[in-house]
Amino acid sequence: QKEVEQNSGPLSVPEGAIASLNCTYSDRGSQSFFWYRQYSGKSPELIMFIYSNGDKEDGRFTAQLNKASQYVSLLIRDSQPSDSATYLCAVKGSARQLTFGSGTQLTVLP
Amino acid sequence: ETGVTQSPTHLIKTRGQQVTLRCSSQSGHNTVSWYQQALGQGPQFIFQYYREEENGRGNFPPRFSGLQFPNYSSELNVNALELDDSALYLCASSPDWASGNTGELFFGEGSRLTVL
Repeated sequence: QKEVEQNSGPLSVPEGAIASLNCTYSDRGSQSFFWYRQYSGKSPELIMFIYSNGDKEDGRFTAQLNKASQYVSLLIRDSQPSDSATYLCAVKGSARQLTFGSGTQLTVLP
Repeated sequence: ETGVTQSPTHLIKTRGQQVTLRCSSQSGHNTVSWYQQALGQGPQFIFQYYREEENGRGNFPPRFSGLQFPNYSSELNVNALELDDSALYLCASSPDWASGNTGELFFGEGSRLTVL
């Protein structure tokens, strides 16, 4: 079992729709959870982090965390073509480093 | 505030050669991590340096080694290059690891290594 698993996609949504990205993790001692966006050929950039159960909203983005289910998600409302990228889920567990999933490729269709 | 910078941006090596990649951390950050990202994969943790000491290592062989300098800049060295070492190498810095920060990383633009 991979430590951090994401739906590999690709995921396509029409412009203006809600995109839902999911991630599960195996380390129950995990403390902090991150969503990074990576455009093709570029480095990852941090979108949001969350460390308490529940929802955290930042503009069009909402991160949701359920530690009991070891599940974290990212919702993108009013999706725009500029949101087309690979979204990486990362988890800070009992070890010192961030562990990344393999990413979900999102395409927002105009 | 200067972000994370890496050099070189692209390089081509042949199998068996050695390579050194360099990274300057973001101002105020004393922790540097290195990641390897193969095409279509997520970043894989290589190692982390905190105040010039390695304080975490992923599942990479000893031919991957590193250094951190007093100004918190860092180097990644890879000896005896193999074809599978072809990847984007990402350096990331973060604020004081020991101070209880939440752990977010700030990435440089990466060094793309091609091994022929």
